[in-house]
Amino acid sequence: RKEVEQDPGPFNVPEGATVAFNCTYSNSASQSFFWYRQDCRKEPKLLMSVYSSGNEDGRFTAQLNRASQYISLLIRDSKLSDSATYLCVVNGVGNNNDMRFGAGTRLTVKP
Amino acid sequence: DTEVTQTPKHLVMGMTNKKSLKCEQHMGHRAMYWYKQKAKKPPELMFVYSYEKLSINESVPSRFSPECPNSSLLNLHLHALQPEDSALYLCASSQDRDGQYNSPLHFGNGTRLTVT
Repeated sequence: RKEVEQDPGPFNVPEGATVAFNCTYSNSASQSFFWYRQDCRKEPKLLMSVYSSGNEDGRFTAQLNRASQYISLLIRDSKLSDSATYLCVVNGVGNNNDMRFGAGTRLTVKP
Repeated sequence: DTEVTQTPKHLVMGMTNKKSLKCEQHMGHRAMYWYKQKAKKPPELMFVYSYEKLSINESVPSRFSPECPNSSLLNLHLHALQPEDSALYLCASSQDRDGQYNSPLHFGNGTRLTVT
């Protein structure tokens, strides 16, 4: 079983739609959770950290479910500029620096 | 602009060449990482240095040799690579404070490597 599993999509949605991504992780001791965005031929950029109580940044909401070992990212009111690959990152079985990526989910927002 | 600087941006090398990738950060971060990313795949962890010591080596072939001369610099020495090693090589850093979690990775722009 992979340490971090993510539905690769692709997700094709119209502008204004709400879209949700999930990642499951295998290590119950994981403590660090992030969502990154990667545009074509660019480096991954931090979108948001994921905290136990859940957190929101504008149209983006991240949640952590420790019991079921998954994190989620909700994007409301999708914009064309949200088109990108969204990657979850979780620290693995090694240590806090053992940062593992999910497969990434490709999102295309269409007019 | 990224605060992690990688050079060169592009590199083409033959299978018998020796080259090095360089990475620098001045954010006071104490953990530095090398990731390899193939097209349409996620970044794959290669090495992690924590406080200038190698803490993770993901069974990377010895033709890749990392070096951390100080807390701001990270190198990846390349020798006798194969065409399948062609990829985007990403350097990242994070704060890495003891007992602290949720220190995100900050990535450089990457070096796009082609092995001929």
